[in-house]
Amino acid sequence: DTGVSQNPRHKITKRGQNVTFRCDPISEHNRLYWYRQTLGQGPEFLTYFQNEAQLEKSRLLSDRFSAERPKGSFSTLEIQRTEQGDSAMYLCASSLARVENTEAFFGQGTRLTVV
Amino acid sequence: GDSVTQMEGPVTLSEEAFLTINCTYTATGYPSLFWYVQYPGEGLQLLLKATKADDKGSNKGFEATYRKETTSFHLEKGSVQVSDSAVYFCALTTSGTYKYIFGTGTRLKVLA
Repeated sequence: DTGVSQNPRHKITKRGQNVTFRCDPISEHNRLYWYRQTLGQGPEFLTYFQNEAQLEKSRLLSDRFSAERPKGSFSTLEIQRTEQGDSAMYLCASSLARVENTEAFFGQGTRLTVV
Repeated sequence: GDSVTQMEGPVTLSEEAFLTINCTYTATGYPSLFWYVQYPGEGLQLLLKATKADDKGSNKGFEATYRKETTSFHLEKGSVQVSDSAVYFCALTTSGTYKYIFGTGTRLKVLA
């Protein structure tokens, strides 16, 4: 296990199409996070799972966005009816719950371009 | 809510110059503090961390000290290299919220 893995690395889609991204966290990590990063900005929190439970969602996560972590392992982030404003880097991170205030480990991200 | 404020970039330095990137925070709880680095087209990598007041995190010649009295966690390096050119993010997390809050990032460019 070499770290957090995200697929695809790049996605170009037409406005109005649906897209789905996948994240495979570090195997023993039970916390999983999705962040969005736009050019020149820091990562913005979208949502967080502990095991399979989605415990928090940002107000940035509109109804067009949905995230799942069905078996507490990998996670998917789906965006329906994409808009140009959805163009961004989507970052996944994971951490270990039993270690207080530990660091999050990030994947390399999926860059979404909506044309 | 919790927040992190970083000095705006870009910061341009000559090789072997001294680096300081300022970071201050606001937190309702007792935060842990982090510096992450992002190279072009890549995700974030942890550079260093500190989990309690007066702790000093260090890695690859970079250092930062957790100053509770000034709510700061400034990043320093005595002699930068061209390979240090990247974007640096200050971040925090607190027990109970579990999410990580990031600053807007500071771009560093080191010239040979």
